[in-house]
Amino acid sequence: QTVVTQEPSLTVSPGGTVTLTCASSTGAVTSAYYPNWFQQKPGQAPRALIYSTGNKHSWTPARFSGSLLGGKAALTLSGVQPEDEAEYYCLLYYGGAQNWVFGGGTKLTVL
Amino acid sequence: QMQLQESGPGLVKPSETLSLTCTVSGGSISSYYWNWIRQPPGKGLEWIGYIYYSGSTNYNPSLKSRVSISVDTSKNQFSLKLSSVTAADTAVYYCARGHIDSMGDYWGQGTLVTVSS
Repeated sequence: QTVVTQEPSLTVSPGGTVTLTCASSTGAVTSAYYPNWFQQKPGQAPRALIYSTGNKHSWTPARFSGSLLGGKAALTLSGVQPEDEAEYYCLLYYGGAQNWVFGGGTKLTVL
Repeated sequence: QMQLQESGPGLVKPSETLSLTCTVSGGSISSYYWNWIRQPPGKGLEWIGYIYYSGSTNYNPSLKSRVSISVDTSKNQFSLKLSSVTAADTAVYYCARGHIDSMGDYWGQGTLVTVSS
């Protein structure tokens, strides 16, 4: 059973910078896992932010960026806004089984 | 602007089959991967599976024995069937579009399915 692990919760001050990470139980995350990141606010469907490690969708605010960091996928928010308070999910692709696996989510509090 | 809309019964009895349809509008169902994802109340997201527009499928191993996804390109729809449901299958079910290197650039609003007698 493949497990994708994220920090359960993080707190950041408005205007600050925070990095969320996404680890795989199978080993280091590489670009071959096509890391995706989503934001979900209460009562809403998830919204895609980043795909294939660091690519942004047309609607993704510039303050969001994706990368690989220390064997994990990472989502960095720079200049955090109050409206960034949300749950963030990463998603990894396991090519051998052709399956997608979500992380457990990180609840980001802006305080 | 592409839109996805889930439809189907909001209440299913235990041991029966859950059936949902996702209707795609504002674009063609061709040339993409079409996914089902679910989220139990208060919990995280779980990928259920996808179907390519040509009909090839892949499923979450934990659900594979109970899941079937099909596509009807003439209606711009794809469907989910989940058999032998239990209370653990109670969740908001989402449909979403995918590509070879991404999943979920467009999502439906989600539909709550409750499994209860």
